[in-house]
Amino acid sequence: DADVTQTPRNRITKTGKRIMLECSQTKGHDRMYWYRQDPGLGLRLIYYSFDVKDINKGEISDGYSVSRQAQAKFSLSLESAIPNQTALYFCATSEAGGGSPDTQYFGPGTRLTVL
Amino acid sequence: SQKIEQNSEALNIQEGKTATLTCNYTNYSPAYLQWYRQDPGRGPVFLLLIRENEKEKRKERLKVTFDTTLKQSLFHITASQPADSATYLCALKAGNNRKLIWGLGTSLAVNP
Repeated sequence: DADVTQTPRNRITKTGKRIMLECSQTKGHDRMYWYRQDPGLGLRLIYYSFDVKDINKGEISDGYSVSRQAQAKFSLSLESAIPNQTALYFCATSEAGGGSPDTQYFGPGTRLTVL
Repeated sequence: SQKIEQNSEALNIQEGKTATLTCNYTNYSPAYLQWYRQDPGRGPVFLLLIRENEKEKRKERLKVTFDTTLKQSLFHITASQPADSATYLCALKAGNNRKLIWGLGTSLAVNP
């Protein structure tokens, strides 16, 4: 079984709809991340969480919110989807620790299309 | 401003040759530098990590060098194979940063 799973894998929705993307991990890592990837723009960090009570905005958090329900679960919500949120979304995890290199382990991605 | 640069042009090489990809950075003092492989539509996969006090790291056909004076890392794939075709990303972690900083990646195509 995959260590980091994302659901759904593909989603097509309409402008204004609320969408939730879910991420689960069995790696036992404390740190979890949500990225989006667009052609030519690389990976951009949306939110990250270093433990259940530590949630932080990344570089492009506007229009998104997150919930860390447990160490193993981190969900991303689009409250009112818009077409420019069409992208490939990745969840990732890393181990905690002072001075950790934060090597990241990615899920398979969710391809989201907002019409 | 802080910046990471990877060659945006795709690299095309012949099977069996050595592929060399470059990661340059400015205004960072990275404690770690990492390389990842990403196939189309899939998540990046960690390959190698090198620390600031290391010059070179090897893993099978892969080699990474790290020159903190030049502010550059080189990623080499020796005896390249068509299966090595992918996008390769570098990522930095500065000692006082809470998150990785990612390059945009370089696309590698190995032709049979």
